[in-house]
Amino acid sequence: AQKITQTQPGMFVQEKEAVTLDCTYDTSDPSYGLFWYKQPSSGEMIFLIYQGSYDQQNATEGRYSLNFQKARKSANLVISASQLGDSAMYFCAMRELSSQGGSEKLVFGKGTKLTVNP
Amino acid sequence: DAMVIQNPRYQVTQFGKPVTLSCSQTLNHNVMYWYQQKSSQAPKLLFHYYDKDFNNEADTPDNFQSRRPNTSFCFLDIRSPGLGDAAMYLCATGAAEGDTQYFGPGTRLTVL
Repeated sequence: AQKITQTQPGMFVQEKEAVTLDCTYDTSDPSYGLFWYKQPSSGEMIFLIYQGSYDQQNATEGRYSLNFQKARKSANLVISASQLGDSAMYFCAMRELSSQGGSEKLVFGKGTKLTVNP
Repeated sequence: DAMVIQNPRYQVTQFGKPVTLSCSQTLNHNVMYWYQQKSSQAPKLLFHYYDKDFNNEADTPDNFQSRRPNTSFCFLDIRSPGLGDAAMYLCATGAAEGDTQYFGPGTRLTVL
């Protein structure tokens, strides 16, 4: 079963507008962490924002904020005031226990390609 | 600036010819990860080191090996590359397992 679901293969937004990228997750572990990464066409994965399952407030980092709805198991990324440089793939990821040796690893969603139009 | 470095950025090899990809870090992180990412797909974890302890994912083919001679360096060895191994290979580091991972720029591998 898919642990991280990103239902939007592609999204378009006008420059200076806000955009929400969806992410839902599935876990039975009460302690987990959720991450968002940006991957431009150059290939590097850039860490954007983190939300812990016990965090009382939604995470924010500059123009990025995470709309964390625990009961709905969703962790949507909100980008305010979009810029042309925001055009990239965006991956949602969850920390989970690996089946190998009890170590923790990240599981990624399939990503959403965001295009910012001028 | 503290960072994760991958060399080379682009690597071309021949079918069946061993190839080694390199990753180094100046973050002094305990954990180093190797991911494979094929076109339009999510990164897939191959294995990781926590300090000197090697953790292989169950579905990582034996064709893929790794070495970590010291804290700063980690290598990915592909013993006999096949056409299906053409991909972007991403190295990442983390202070501890489960912590935020910081990625290098990746090495794009082409197999002819």
